Amino acid sequence: QVQLQESGPGLVKPSETLSLTCTVSGGSISSYYWGWIRQPAGKGLEWIGHIYTSGSTNYSPSLKSRATMSVDTSKNQFSLKLSSVTAADTAVYYCARSDLSRIDAFDIWGQGTMVTVSS
Amino acid sequence: EIVLTQSPATLSLSPGERATLSCRASQSVSSYLAWYQQKPGQAPRLLIYDASNRATGIPARFSGSGSGTDFTLTVSSLEPEDFGVYYCQQHSNWPTFGPGTKVDIK
Repeated sequence: QVQLQESGPGLVKPSETLSLTCTVSGGSISSYYWGWIRQPAGKGLEWIGHIYTSGSTNYSPSLKSRATMSVDTSKNQFSLKLSSVTAADTAVYYCARSDLSRIDAFDIWGQGTMVTVSS
Repeated sequence: EIVLTQSPATLSLSPGERATLSCRASQSVSSYLAWYQQKPGQAPRLLIYDASNRATGIPARFSGSGSGTDFTLTVSSLEPEDFGVYYCQQHSNWPTFGPGTKVDIK
């Protein structure tokens, strides 16, 4: 079955860029929407944005100026970059999949990766 | 931004009891409403999408209803594994999540 795995640094310095990659295994990355969602410790979920396999993107208005997503279909991977991070960006970051027929209703999730912003 | 509110914040129930969770949107999301269950240390699990459609593998005891701004998730008879935090999410436009309802054991 399809599985997602996030990877990237667990610690990022303030003002630097957070970079995460999600690797899709057990299935093709094509013809799905792929999203990023984050969750600060003990708090709720926040949608960051999504990317389609064509490369078209949609970002949360609150993060649009700092977020960039990309997809590499040859590697079955997609990525998130979040620039100018602050302590408020400390969270568990999840990658997730959604179907064309129900965009942004995420049926498969990665296990999540904790990212701490600290000097 | 569409704001979702969930009630109650906490629901204390016993196995076998019926759970009714509410989600209200600040403006209409049509039927683009999903429900997720999350347990500690785990990713959320999609239960319901488009307000009333069960996701693959979700037991029939979970059902969703509503449209527009008012939605309900019902668990007809709670099983021990159903305890956790439940989030609603609108997937109409620039998705947002509700603050969650914690369902714990009475």
